[in-house]
Amino acid sequence: AIQMTQSPSSLSASVGDRVTITCRASQGIRNDLGWYQQKPGKAPKLVIYAASKLQSGVPSRFSGSGSGTDFTLTISSLQPEDFATYYCLQKYGNPPSFGQGTKVEIK
Amino acid sequence: QVQLLQSGAEVKKPGSSVKVSCKASGGSFRTFGISWVRQAPGRGLEWMGRIIPTRGVTNTAPKFQDRVSLTADESTATAYMELRGLISDDTALYFCARLGEPLPDEDYWGQGTLVTVSS
Repeated sequence: AIQMTQSPSSLSASVGDRVTITCRASQGIRNDLGWYQQKPGKAPKLVIYAASKLQSGVPSRFSGSGSGTDFTLTISSLQPEDFATYYCLQKYGNPPSFGQGTKVEIK
Repeated sequence: QVQLLQSGAEVKKPGSSVKVSCKASGGSFRTFGISWVRQAPGRGLEWMGRIIPTRGVTNTAPKFQDRVSLTADESTATAYMELRGLISDDTALYFCARLGEPLPDEDYWGQGTLVTVSS
């Protein structure tokens, strides 16, 4: 099974900050990676698919990069509504697997 | 627009079973997979398994293979996840989802069903 190692597990940031979250796969997954935003008690929301493509309706301050084993989610200028937990998900291997999550908190 | 509507919260005794439903509307149900994902309180997301309704083909994570049954009723466009032998660690929010099928940006989730296991 492919393991997804996500870091950091949490971070504190201020509105306007640039935030970077990384996921590393235990083996190559091409670009078959998505990033999700989740708020408490709610279903996850896809923000980036295919490693770097912005989901429709998601603000352009979100971006993704990477291929193979190393992936990054960047929020260029953090907004109040972006405080949430973010997860990566790989579907290249069976079973699909999530990263452990990164909680983005207000500094 | 695909919508997935899940059944309501459940409280179960240890050792019992729970069956959660997920009714799809607004898109094709038969040919695309429905996945099940759970989230224990304060924990991360965990993929449990997937079913393709028209073929009845299932794929279950090794951790759940002995305890989970995934089924689907095409006539009502409803998928089901049954978890047997419940323990307290199964207390979680259970989601059904269509994870990027047929295209990677076609991603839809149910609202979640809280299953509480308590004596």
